[in-house]
Order: sequence, then C-alpha cells, then structure tokens
Amino acid sequence: ETGVTQTPRHLVMGMTNKKSLKCEQHLGHNAMYWYKQSAKKPLELMFVYSLEERVENNSVPSRFSPECPNSSHLFLHLHTLQPEDSALYLCASSLRTSGYNEQFFGPGTRLTVL
Amino acid sequence: GQNIDQPTEMTATEGAIVQINCTYQTSGFNGLFWYQQHAGEAPTFLSYNVLDGLEEKGRFSSFLSRSKGYSYLLLKELQMKDSASYLCAVRDIYNAGNMLTFGGGTRLMVKP
Repeated sequence: ETGVTQTPRHLVMGMTNKKSLKCEQHLGHNAMYWYKQSAKKPLELMFVYSLEERVENNSVPSRFSPECPNSSHLFLHLHTLQPEDSALYLCASSLRTSGYNEQFFGPGTRLTVL
Repeated sequence: GQNIDQPTEMTATEGAIVQINCTYQTSGFNGLFWYQQHAGEAPTFLSYNVLDGLEEKGRFSSFLSRSKGYSYLLLKELQMKDSASYLCAVRDIYNAGNMLTFGGGTRLMVKP
C-alpha cells in the first residue's frame, strides 16, 4: 500500500462511452499526476496538478479531461476514446513537484477501449 | 528533449549481482530516480541521486556520473522476488516544469 488508491482497477469501454477514473491520496501531498503506461513504451506524463492548479498538460488529446477538486483527489474524465488509448493509467502524488520528492504511485487502472 | 536509454531485458541468477545501466541526455539535470515495478503493480521508489557517487540502501545501490550522463542500479544477493522491471527517470529543470521523464524500463528475470 503506497497511500494512493485508484478506482476502478479495470475498465472496459466502447468508443462512444463516457467514464471517469478516480485517484485519491492519503499522504498529505500537494502534487498529483496522471501517467499513461502502454506496452513496450515508457511511462508518459499526461497531467500534473500542484496545489489543485494544473501546471502541465503534456499535449494530451482533449478526449482526456483531468479534474482536481482538492489536493487529495484527482479524476480523469474519458470520452470518445480510441482503441490505441488502451493502456494502464497510473496516478501518482508527491509532496512537491521539485527536488527530492519521490512520487508515490497508485496501482493503476487497466483500461481497454473496444 | 530528453533521451533516456536502458537495456530492455536482463537475466541473472539467484544469489548473483546484476548491474542495470541508464544513460541520459538532458539540458538541466536535476536528479535521477530508480523505481521498481512488478508485473501488474505500481512502480515503487528505490533510490535517488543528484550528486555524483554511490548511494547504498541495503542490497540495492545506485551510482551517478553527471559528466557522463550515466547511472546504474546495482542489485546484490539477487532473490527471485527481484524479478521486475526497473525504471530510470530523470528530472530536468527545463522539461515541463521540472517533471520526471522515464526510460522504457529494464525487465529483470532472476532464475534459480
């Protein structure tokens, strides 16, 4: 247990569906991240929030929409996804975004887009 | 941009020592992390280097040479449970607000 939880753990959706991924951290951290992990590819940073403000959007398609209502919760809203969006989506948190601030990862949501 | 290279796969024997290398190219190096990720699980933090030299933590050690853009993770007295992917990640102050960029990971298989 890293103190970062993600739900659901597995999700199968059609290309016309709308779904949301949820992440919650119980560590008192101020920064939260969404990563995408595809087979045989490096972890890709998608979004970063620091003190509930988005500080980075790494050229992610608009069909992915993040939301950070408070420093403990992070959502990733999904709509009209493509099959190539199938991947493991990892949430992470850290005390701050700089320096020696290790990121604690959640277990991930395995997403399959049909 | 950044380029982080590490071998895709390695195999080693239980009880042995293995060294996993990572080379990187950055404009504003600001730290290097190693993470371990077991199949189907979240990455977990192993080590952090920002200055040259060796950091030792039990069976695991990590080395950094900033002038060479090089790091390695050394695993001693290998155990079967060490079979996992090992991810090298670099923080660059000129990259996306000081964010981490990950290498592709090295999948280590420990055999009896």
